[in-house]
Amino acid sequence: DMKVTQMPRYLIKRMGENVLLECGQDMSHETMYWYRQDPGLGLQLIYISYDVDSNSEGDIPKGYRVSRKKREHFSLILDSAKTNQTSVYFCASSRDTSGNTLYFGEGSRLIVV
Amino acid sequence: SQLAEENLWALSVHEGESVTVNCSYKTSITALQWYRQKSGEGPAQLILIRSNEREKRNGRLRATLDTSSQSSSLSITATRCEDTAVYFCATDYYGGSGNKLIFGTGTLLSVKP
Repeated sequence: DMKVTQMPRYLIKRMGENVLLECGQDMSHETMYWYRQDPGLGLQLIYISYDVDSNSEGDIPKGYRVSRKKREHFSLILDSAKTNQTSVYFCASSRDTSGNTLYFGEGSRLIVV
Repeated sequence: SQLAEENLWALSVHEGESVTVNCSYKTSITALQWYRQKSGEGPAQLILIRSNEREKRNGRLRATLDTSSQSSSLSITATRCEDTAVYFCATDYYGGSGNKLIFGTGTLLSVKP
């Protein structure tokens, strides 16, 4: 059905708590991404995964880690969340990295208080 | 600094008018993509134009690519209120362990009745 699903859609956490954002895709895409979006900054790449257990840092990886144990699932983990990690997080997938279309989820809005 | 950047932060037109969003980029590319993001949604691809193409159309949308000036434009004819969204250009570049897609900060287009 060509869908990227993100869970949860909304999350409020206290500073120092751990956060798990999950993403799934039903297209058997090799490549998956995590971006964060803040006003005026556009979409910033946090991590990219080229396949299972083949992950690479993006432009702003500090404070984040990822896990990809199955091709269809890609998780973003914040160990000890900080207030400056309040943002909207988008997961995306693409067939591969050769200039292909990215399919985005609807986003996960995280507030860290 | 941004590897891809839209030239205007915001544009406003009236329904039925035509509008053009411009983008400049800083690296050699294999393709440039245009995405649209409506409020509360994830970005969705509009057009992918490869480096050996000069123009591509998709309904009321027309994208151009000028690799000599490293610029692209997205034109929308006969705009509708539902075209109100943020428009991003995105380019691929090879960074470290693989290809990545980098987004500009976006142009907010408002289409008024």
